[in-house]
Amino acid sequence: DAGVIQSPRHEVTEMGQEVTLRCKPISGHNSLFWYRQTMMRGLELLIYFNNNVPIDDSGMPEDRFSAKMPNASFSTLKIQPSEPRDSAVYFCASSIQGAGTEAFFGQGTRLTVV
Amino acid sequence: GESVGLHLPTLSVQEGDNSIINCAYSNSASDYFIWYKQESGKGPQFIIDIRSNMDKRQGQRVTVLLNKTVKHLSLQIAATQPGDSAVYFCAASGGGADGLTFGKGTHLIIQP
Repeated sequence: DAGVIQSPRHEVTEMGQEVTLRCKPISGHNSLFWYRQTMMRGLELLIYFNNNVPIDDSGMPEDRFSAKMPNASFSTLKIQPSEPRDSAVYFCASSIQGAGTEAFFGQGTRLTVV
Repeated sequence: GESVGLHLPTLSVQEGDNSIINCAYSNSASDYFIWYKQESGKGPQFIIDIRSNMDKRQGQRVTVLLNKTVKHLSLQIAATQPGDSAVYFCAASGGGADGLTFGKGTHLIIQP
C-alpha cells in the first residue's frame, strides 16, 4: 500500500486566494483526520470523518475552512479566502476504526500564504 | 477536553545510551495513548501505543510506560542510534474526545 497520499506537497498562494488540499486515505480505512502543524501550536486536529461523515469539526478555525469527503477514497480541505496566518503544514491521516486506534499520516502539504 | 504536554522540548543523549521522553495528560478518561516519531519534512510515524488497561508495553528497542494515577506517559528508547534523531510526540484519545490530542513534541538529539 502506498500509504496516505496528499497533494500538493507544497503550495504557495497569495492572500485572498482559494486553496484546496487533497488526501487519499489508505484503502480500507474508514476514518480520516485533518491536522494542522505549526511551531507555535503544534499538531492540531481540525476535523474528523468516520465512514465519510464529518463527526467533529470543532477544530476548524473559522468559516473560511471547509472539508469534504465525497467518498471513501478522497477528501479535500479548502481555505477560502486564505490568509498569511493559515501558513502551516497540513496533514491528513487515516485509521481503520476511528478514534482510539493508530492513525497513519501522509507526508503533509506545506502551505505558504503571502 | 484533553491537553497533552511534554516535559522537555529538547533532549540530548549520547549514542548508545537509553533515552526517556516524558509526557503528561490531563483527562483521566483518556483510554488510548500513542507515541509518534517525526523526521524533518515527513509526517508523524507510529512507534508504539498502549491502552489504559495496561501499564507497560514493549516493542523493538522501545517501551511505553503508563501511570494513570499521575496521568503520566513515558517512552524509553534503548541503545539510542543516530537514526532515532527526530521529534517525538505523545498523543491521547478517548474520554469522549474524537481523534488524537497531541503534545508539542520533544526533539531528541543524538550526540556521537
